[in-house]
Amino acid sequence: DTGVSQDPRHKITKRGQNVTFRCDPISEHNRLYWYRQTLGQGPEFLTYFQNEAQLEKSRLLSDRFSAERPKGSFSTLEIQRTEQGDSAMYLCASSSGSASTDTQYFGPGTRLTVL
Amino acid sequence: KQEVTQIPAALSVPEGENLVLNCSFTDSAIYNLQWFRQDPGKGLTSLLLIQSSQREQTSGRLNASLDKSSGRSTLYIAASQPGDSATYLCAVNGGSYIPTFGRGTSLIVHP
Repeated sequence: DTGVSQDPRHKITKRGQNVTFRCDPISEHNRLYWYRQTLGQGPEFLTYFQNEAQLEKSRLLSDRFSAERPKGSFSTLEIQRTEQGDSAMYLCASSSGSASTDTQYFGPGTRLTVL
Repeated sequence: KQEVTQIPAALSVPEGENLVLNCSFTDSAIYNLQWFRQDPGKGLTSLLLIQSSQREQTSGRLNASLDKSSGRSTLYIAASQPGDSATYLCAVNGGSYIPTFGRGTSLIVHP
C-alpha cells in the first residue's frame, strides 16, 4: 500500500489553457474524492466517485471542470479555459467502509498556479 | 447546511504544554467526525475518527472527544512538541460520504 498519489505536484499555466491532473487512490478503496483548497481554508468538496460512477458534484463546480474515473481505479480532473481564480491546491482522497467508519486518506495535492 | 467552526484560528505555545483545539458544528445529525493534520503545502493526514455512537478516541498523545448533542468536539494534545506544529482540521460526515471541513487551527509549538 503506497498511499494516494497525485501527479503532477505542481502546475503553472497561463490563463485560458486546459490542465489535467491525475489521482491514483489506495488500490482497495472504492470511493475517490476531489477537493480544492485555498490558503487559510479547509478543503472544499468538488466531486466524488464510487467505483466508476460519479455520484456527487458540487454546485460550485463550473462546467469548465470535469472528472472521470473510467475503470474505477485512477481518476483525472480536467479544468478547461483556466482562470486566475482556479489557482489553488487540488487534493484527492480515497476511502472505503460504511458511513460511520469512512476514513479519508489524502494525496499530497497538486498546486495549480494560473498566470 | 452543515457549518463547521474551529477555534482558535491560530495558537502558539511553548513546548511541553497541554492544549485543546475546538471544533463546533451546526447539525448534530452526523455519522462521524474526523481530525486531520496538515503540514504546509502538503496533503491531510488522518489522526482520529470518532463515530457518532462514540464519545472519544485516543492515539498516543492525542485524545479527541465528541459531544454530538451540543455539536462540539475537542482535540487534546498532551505534552506538545515542536513536531506537532501544523494545521489541524476537523471534518464532519453527515451520512452522504461528503465531509464538511472547518478552516483549521494553525498550531506553532516553539522550543
